[in-house]
Amino acid sequence: DAGVIQSPRHEVTEMGQEVTLRCKPISGHDYLFWYRQTMMRGLELLIYFNNNVPIDDSGMPEDRFSAKMPNASFSTLKIQPSEPRDSAVYFCASSLGGLVVEQFFGPGTRLTVL
Amino acid sequence: AQTVTQSQPEMSVQEAETVTLSCTYDTSESDYYLFWYKQPPSRQMILVIRQEAYKQQNATENRFSVNFQKAAKSFSLKISDSQLGDAAMYFCAFQGTGGFKTIFGAGTRLFVKA
Repeated sequence: DAGVIQSPRHEVTEMGQEVTLRCKPISGHDYLFWYRQTMMRGLELLIYFNNNVPIDDSGMPEDRFSAKMPNASFSTLKIQPSEPRDSAVYFCASSLGGLVVEQFFGPGTRLTVL
Repeated sequence: AQTVTQSQPEMSVQEAETVTLSCTYDTSESDYYLFWYKQPPSRQMILVIRQEAYKQQNATENRFSVNFQKAAKSFSLKISDSQLGDAAMYFCAFQGTGGFKTIFGAGTRLFVKA
């Protein structure tokens, strides 16, 4: 398997623009997680899905952020409108069932909002 | 609320030597799980080792081992026979049994000197 795939790897955008980050989890995995990593706040869980259903979105910073998982092989994290403080590395991770299993991380998307 | 503290922002070790990275956590739960993740310059997060709190025996994975002290809420990572490829950021992480909300520490950057 190719692992968790994220696109784009880098995104530079202007403040106020809409940004869409994409993730393809490992085939067969039923949990998908979105994380944000910054120097100030470290690695934060934003939201996670189980079988395409959002389970906990308490980490989503504000209404400008939204995430969807229309099917088992695709998820998006959207920021609209984007702000400079959204600049971070966004990771997607997936795992297979159970309560404590390894989360497989994607390579991340480095977002820069000017 | 659970917290994870890594008090060493940076550590350095000579190749082939042993290094220990510290991690403490705070929780009121009795059952939980602890992890060490490695993040090399490629940004890819990789699980190094995990420990179930109900297990008294310390986990070991090849050159990596942990010293889990439940009463002290301490979970240190020992890397033996350090290799240049071990150079990375290392994150300690906590996961309770109530869900998938994994709490990450701020990370320790490990340098390996040749």
